Amino acid sequence: EAGVAQSPRYKIIEKRQSVAFWCNPISGHATLYWYQQILGQGPKLLIQFQNNGVVDDSQLPKDRFSAERLKGVDSTLKIQPAKLEDSAVYLCASSFRGGYGYTFGSGTRLTVV
Amino acid sequence: AQSVTQLGSHVSVSEGALVLLRCNYSSSVPPYLFWYVQYPNQGLQLLLKYTTGATLVKGINGFEAEFKKSETSFHLTKPSAHMSDAAEYFCAVSEDNTGNQFYFGTGTSLTVIP
Repeated sequence: EAGVAQSPRYKIIEKRQSVAFWCNPISGHATLYWYQQILGQGPKLLIQFQNNGVVDDSQLPKDRFSAERLKGVDSTLKIQPAKLEDSAVYLCASSFRGGYGYTFGSGTRLTVV
Repeated sequence: AQSVTQLGSHVSVSEGALVLLRCNYSSSVPPYLFWYVQYPNQGLQLLLKYTTGATLVKGINGFEAEFKKSETSFHLTKPSAHMSDAAEYFCAVSEDNTGNQFYFGTGTSLTVIP
C-alpha cells in the first residue's frame, strides 16, 4: 500500500511569512495526525482528525496555526505568521482508526530565518 | 498523566554488540507502549508495540522489548548491532487505543561503531 505522502519535503521562509504543508494519508485511514518535532525532541501532537472532524487540538497554537481536513482525506496545516521557534519537522501520520500503529510520512522540514 | 523517559540521549555500541535502549513510563492505567525508529530525513517507523498479553514483544529487524510493570519499563534490545541500526529511537506511551493522549519520549540516538 502507498504510504503517507507529505509535501514539500523542505521549506525555508522568513519570519512573519506564511507557509502551508500538505498531507495525503493512506487510503481508508480515518484518523489523521499532525505532529511537530523540534530538533532534539520527541514529536508533539498538534492536532488529530477523525474523518473531517477535529478530535484533539489542545496543543495547537491557534493564534498562528490552523489545519483542515476537507472531505476526510487530505489535510493542510498552515502557519501564519511564522516565528523562528516554528522551525521543526512537521510530521503527518494516519491510522485505520484512532489507535496504535500509526503510519508516518517523511515529514516537512521547516526552517524559519 | 502519562510521561516517557528515555535514559541516555546518545548510545554508542560496537557492531555485533548488544543494543539496550532504556525507556521508563508513568501511567495511571495499564499502558500501551511502543518503540519507533527514525532514520535521517525520514518519518517514524513502528518497531514494535505492547498492548496486552505476552510481555516480551518481538518487532522488526531483530528488536524486542519487554514490558515490566513492576519497574514501569519497556527497554528495547537487540542481541547484535548492525551498522544499519544507526538511527533515532523513540519510546511512546498511550493510555488507550484511540490514538488520543499519545506521548513520545525525547529519543535516543544510536551510533554503531564498526
